[in-house]
Amino acid sequence: GDSVTQMEGPVTLSEEAFLTINCTYTATGYPSLFWYVQYPGEGLQLLLKATKADDKGSNKGFEATYRKETTSFHLEKGSVQVSDSAVYFCALITTSGTYKYIFGTGTRLKVLA
Amino acid sequence: ETGVTQSPTHLIKTRGQQVTLRCSSQSGHNTVSWYQQALGQGPQFIFQYYREEENGRGNFPPRFSGLQFPNYSSELNVNALELDDSALYLCASSLEEFGKLFFGSGTQLSVL
Repeated sequence: GDSVTQMEGPVTLSEEAFLTINCTYTATGYPSLFWYVQYPGEGLQLLLKATKADDKGSNKGFEATYRKETTSFHLEKGSVQVSDSAVYFCALITTSGTYKYIFGTGTRLKVLA
Repeated sequence: ETGVTQSPTHLIKTRGQQVTLRCSSQSGHNTVSWYQQALGQGPQFIFQYYREEENGRGNFPPRFSGLQFPNYSSELNVNALELDDSALYLCASSLEEFGKLFFGSGTQLSVL
């Protein structure tokens, strides 16, 4: 069935380091892909999205490119800040059969000053 | 504009009981979806309602049911509670069927 696999955390980086959080998916059809973020003490919120192959989503310095050939949607940021410390969830919406949202297990990021 | 609100914030039930969780969607949003999030896991999609009709469902048994009302608020009902139903239940609303999700803070359910 459809699924999302994220790299396990926690990921600990120093401020200004480069961030990559890997996400791969399995899905029939052409899903839309998302990254959601949960900051400490807050609810989940959309970070960025891409709806078709080769689309690049971007927001707050984060980027992710929809790679159909590798079924991936890796999250990247060139220079992380302490305020980026949060849990990041990769997700997709299936487009075949019954509509459903599928989330990964989440990757916790901790950025040290 | 008010965000997505859920009630209650915490709930304790015993095995076999029934529970109803409530969600008020963000103003103007006609779509509501529900998720179960176990500790340390990602949200698991339960179902979605669009204009009062269920239009998507995850891999949850029929004892998980829901409603969406004309004002687009929603309820999640769980019958015959099991210990494994203990989790954070999240509600999210969106402007359209496949739009950006706006999440509430959740209801923490404990089944003893």
